[in-house]
Amino acid sequence: GNSVTQMEGPVTLSEEAFLTINCTYTATGYPSLFWYVQYPGEGLQLLLKATKADDKGSNKGFEATYRKETTSFHLEKGSVQVSDSAVYFCALRAGGTSYGKLTFGQGTILTVHP
Amino acid sequence: DVKVTQSSRYLVKRTGEKVFLECVQDMDHENMFWYRQDPGLGLRLIYFSYDVKMKEKGDIPEGYSVSREKKERFSLILESASTNQTSMYLCASSSLRPPGELFFGEGSRLTVL
Repeated sequence: GNSVTQMEGPVTLSEEAFLTINCTYTATGYPSLFWYVQYPGEGLQLLLKATKADDKGSNKGFEATYRKETTSFHLEKGSVQVSDSAVYFCALRAGGTSYGKLTFGQGTILTVHP
Repeated sequence: DVKVTQSSRYLVKRTGEKVFLECVQDMDHENMFWYRQDPGLGLRLIYFSYDVKMKEKGDIPEGYSVSREKKERFSLILESASTNQTSMYLCASSSLRPPGELFFGEGSRLTVL
């Protein structure tokens, strides 16, 4: 079956530090990959996406590259801000008759201190 | 701007009560989903629907049912609420067309006493 594994949290960083949140996946075929962010008290928002190998998704200074050879989609940001404190979810949508279901990782809590 | 609206942000119910959670989307999406979110367990799919009156069980359907009478509306029903259904419930919708990202509502936090 399909699965997504994220690095264990929580992650605590100082402002302007470099961020990496690891994500690896198992899926049949050629999935689309997503990163979602959830700010306190809110629903999930799409942060970025990639639909094929070597695609790079980017948004708000965050980046992730679809690496088929390592089945990974690691999230990176060069300089985090306090406002980036949130929960980050990696997810995949498999091809075929999945009816659009996404498989999510467990989520990684990020806290950024001033 | 795209929007998924959940009827209640916070609900408090008693054990045994029937609970309705409503979700409406304005994007003409074919797919709609109900997830529950619990600390340490991530998001778990309860039910989803890919068309009006069509529904499919997700990973944890026990104790829940759903209704989709109109394309834009997807309701989650707890026939007899129990304390272990205290959780955050998230509704989402998506298009059939790839890449098919999900759009989420703000969530409904349900407490069952």
